[in-house]
Amino acid sequence: NAGVTQTPKFQVLKTGQSMTLQCAQDMNHNSMYWYRQDPGMGLRLIYYSASEGTTDKGEVPNGYNVSRLNKREFSLRLESAAPSQTSVYFCASTPVAGANVLTFGAGSRLTVL
Amino acid sequence: DAKTTQPTSMDCAEGRAANLPCNHSTISGNEYVYWYRQIHSQGPQYIIHGLKNNETNEMASLIITEDRKSSTLILPHATLRDTAVYYCIVRVVGNQGAQKLVFGQGTRLTINP
Repeated sequence: NAGVTQTPKFQVLKTGQSMTLQCAQDMNHNSMYWYRQDPGMGLRLIYYSASEGTTDKGEVPNGYNVSRLNKREFSLRLESAAPSQTSVYFCASTPVAGANVLTFGAGSRLTVL
Repeated sequence: DAKTTQPTSMDCAEGRAANLPCNHSTISGNEYVYWYRQIHSQGPQYIIHGLKNNETNEMASLIITEDRKSSTLILPHATLRDTAVYYCIVRVVGNQGAQKLVFGQGTRLTINP
């Protein structure tokens, strides 16, 4: 049982390049989330999807877009990467919105030069 | 949501019980106490949660004071693999959901051989 799978694990981009972080869960969870974590900091919510077909902004959505492709997959896109987006990105899921027990992926470490 | 206060860091000897305190003096009656941990470079991991009764699972025990203003996470026989940052979070269930979970600075627990 894989849980939450994120790809890629590592990525280096140049300023202005675009890329998509992929996230998939195999637990039949309805709600999915994208967080970022900067060095020495707590996690900050970027976007979330309470259920398939819905997405909402979190605390730090600027510079990002998301797509809830289906119930399993929730992708995060950086259209024009900036050095300020250098961070570790975590995807998470939970059975339903309102449940506070999240399962996290292993993270994607992104460096923007 | 109630604010939580945790010590910045703690040390514990391997094999001993690690007791991690959390103060949540403004907790309201319908807010649960959740504990997560984050081992270096990995995604956060859910540990345990409770409302007012003490809780125990295979990972840890959660002791909540009778007035609910503080709690203690207990790792009964700490191992080196328990070295991590531990987050105490207070949150209602259902309303607004996990998207509002706030992962602050947590307590950096170091288990020493």
